Amino acid sequence: GAVVSQHPSRVICKSGTSVKIECRSLDFQATTMFWYRQFPKQSLMLMATSNEGSKATYEQGVEKDKFLINHASLTLSTLTVTSAHPEDSSFYICSARAGTTTDTQYFGPGTRLTVL
Amino acid sequence: TQLLEQSPQFLSIQEGENLTVYCNSSSVFSSLQWYRQEPGEGPVLLVTVVTGGEVKKLKRLTFQFGDARKDSSLHITAAQPGDTGLYLCAGVRNFNKFYFGSGTKLNVKP
Repeated sequence: GAVVSQHPSRVICKSGTSVKIECRSLDFQATTMFWYRQFPKQSLMLMATSNEGSKATYEQGVEKDKFLINHASLTLSTLTVTSAHPEDSSFYICSARAGTTTDTQYFGPGTRLTVL
Repeated sequence: TQLLEQSPQFLSIQEGENLTVYCNSSSVFSSLQWYRQEPGEGPVLLVTVVTGGEVKKLKRLTFQFGDARKDSSLHITAAQPGDTGLYLCAGVRNFNKFYFGSGTKLNVKP
């Protein structure tokens, strides 16, 4: 199956700093990438949808100025958590899909963010 | 509030038992997916059901999509410890909207 990687897998940062998370599709071109957030023992919540070369579409309640998403190429999307605070600590997962008319998305392994 | 409710939230059973997980919504979806997630990893797609009333089998796992395309079930026959994990259903709309259920944490004891 298709492979999606995330980097880093874990990151610990101080409050007020910014953290960048990378999501890469390794063996296919990802027209669309999705960013999710998962709190402990809870389900995934879609944060935003990004299409290559376009601005990301954010879900209601997600601050676009805090969670900056860039999808500059067909194999890479980045999520930057700006001025991170302890409440931003979470498991961030990306997914990627190859077209716009398919419901098959391939998930990355996730990034555990801890803000001190 | 979750658009998709899963039940039960937690399930602890002995190896060899059967179980059913339910995924319910008042909304209609174009398709519904089931995933399994291990701790500290991303979800892995198990199946996608598209047609109302559709039944799909994957070895000991049987998935059913409700006639009205609002709900789904996952039945596992003769559960094994390797089935342990978090099971998530996700309703899909317009290929672009994925709504995940609340999750069912399954523990199969040897």
